[in-house]
Amino acid sequence: EDQVTQSPEALRLQEGESSSLNCSYTVSGLRGLFWYRQDPGKGPEFLFTLYSAGEEKEKERLKATLTKKESFLHITAPKPEDSATYLCAVQADSYQLIWGAGTKLIIKP
Amino acid sequence: DSGVTQTPKHLITATGQRVTLRCSPRSGDLSVYWYQQSLDQGLQFLIQYYNGEERAKGNILERFSAQQFPDLHSELNLSSLELGDSALYFCASSVGVFNEQFFGPGTRLTVL
Repeated sequence: EDQVTQSPEALRLQEGESSSLNCSYTVSGLRGLFWYRQDPGKGPEFLFTLYSAGEEKEKERLKATLTKKESFLHITAPKPEDSATYLCAVQADSYQLIWGAGTKLIIKP
Repeated sequence: DSGVTQTPKHLITATGQRVTLRCSPRSGDLSVYWYQQSLDQGLQFLIQYYNGEERAKGNILERFSAQQFPDLHSELNLSSLELGDSALYFCASSVGVFNEQFFGPGTRLTVL
């Protein structure tokens, strides 16, 4: 069965303290892996698409990487405004995206 | 701003009633998706349309239905509403069927 698991469920960091969020997946025929950011009460905001193992994408303090079994979202020197829930979703051979439950990131000033 | 628009922003109604949520996709996008997100819950995929045709169905209740019109906008109809239907409803769009999705701001439905 296709499955996406994100860890940790929640992560509290001090401002400037770098860390990584994990998204592990078990799917048949990976077509793409997507990272989103969601603020409370808002629609998810698209961040990155990764298509193949070894691929990396960067945007400001965020860097996403992909292996054959998992993806990492690295956050470098985070700021309080980076606080949000980060969602991972995987596109397999079916048309439906398989979503992880998300990691709630809290950056304390 | 993702370019996806949803109306209304807020909707308050009573149990047993029927409502219609509307979504306009980004210019050039052919796929539209509907999601439900209850308080502090994950995104639940409801249904996907591509160029007017239903492509995938998730955990959509029989009381719910959707369609995509020739101008590509979509409507989600919720009927015989129950308290548990209170949630945020998001619409997303993408160029094709295997591309990143862009989400609208959502419609907050409250059923009293």
